[in-house]
Amino acid sequence: GEDVEQSLFLSVREGDSSVINCTYTDSSSTYLYWYKQEPGAGLQLLTYIFSNMDMKQDQRLTVLLNKKDKHLSLRIADTQTGDSAIYFCAESPDSWGKLQFGAGTQVVVTP
Amino acid sequence: DGGITQSPKYLFRKEGQNVTLSCEQNLNHDAMYWYRQDPGQGLRLIYYSQIVNDFQKGDIAEGYSVSREKKESFPLTVTSAQKNPTAFYLCASNNNGAASVFFGPGTRLTVL
Repeated sequence: GEDVEQSLFLSVREGDSSVINCTYTDSSSTYLYWYKQEPGAGLQLLTYIFSNMDMKQDQRLTVLLNKKDKHLSLRIADTQTGDSAIYFCAESPDSWGKLQFGAGTQVVVTP
Repeated sequence: DGGITQSPKYLFRKEGQNVTLSCEQNLNHDAMYWYRQDPGQGLRLIYYSQIVNDFQKGDIAEGYSVSREKKESFPLTVTSAQKNPTAFYLCASNNNGAASVFFGPGTRLTVL
């Protein structure tokens, strides 16, 4: 079956760049997503990338996809305290919202 | 103001009782989904519906039921058959062929 793995925790200093990594096993993944979850809240869609792309940039966010290694990363430039949250990687074989999620990476931003 | 609303935010239930969680969206999305989140874990798909009056089981449908009588509404019933119902429940929606999947604010269910 499908499996999405992420590291559990990342600590970063305010102003530095954060890099959150994710690996997936389903070779039929077409869409790969990054979501942000703050305490007690729902998931906020940050960005997604099609599997035929290598990179996608959106303001402070850069997504890199290595399809050969099934590796996805999210880089947050100039990390702020408001970026402290849990970040989820997810994949889907199609545009329906049947997503397979990783367990999430807790990002803590320190002053 | 467009979006997905879930109610209530917190819900307490006694063992043996059924309970229904509400999910409404005014985004005119075709498809709606229910996910369950447990502490330290990712989300798991319970049920989904791609069109009114039709729905399919997800990965963990046992002990749950849904209906989709209206496009904007997709209520989830947690039945007494669900062995471990305490969790955070999230509703989501998207349009056919659109990759963006949006989530509601969630309902935290606690079984006493």
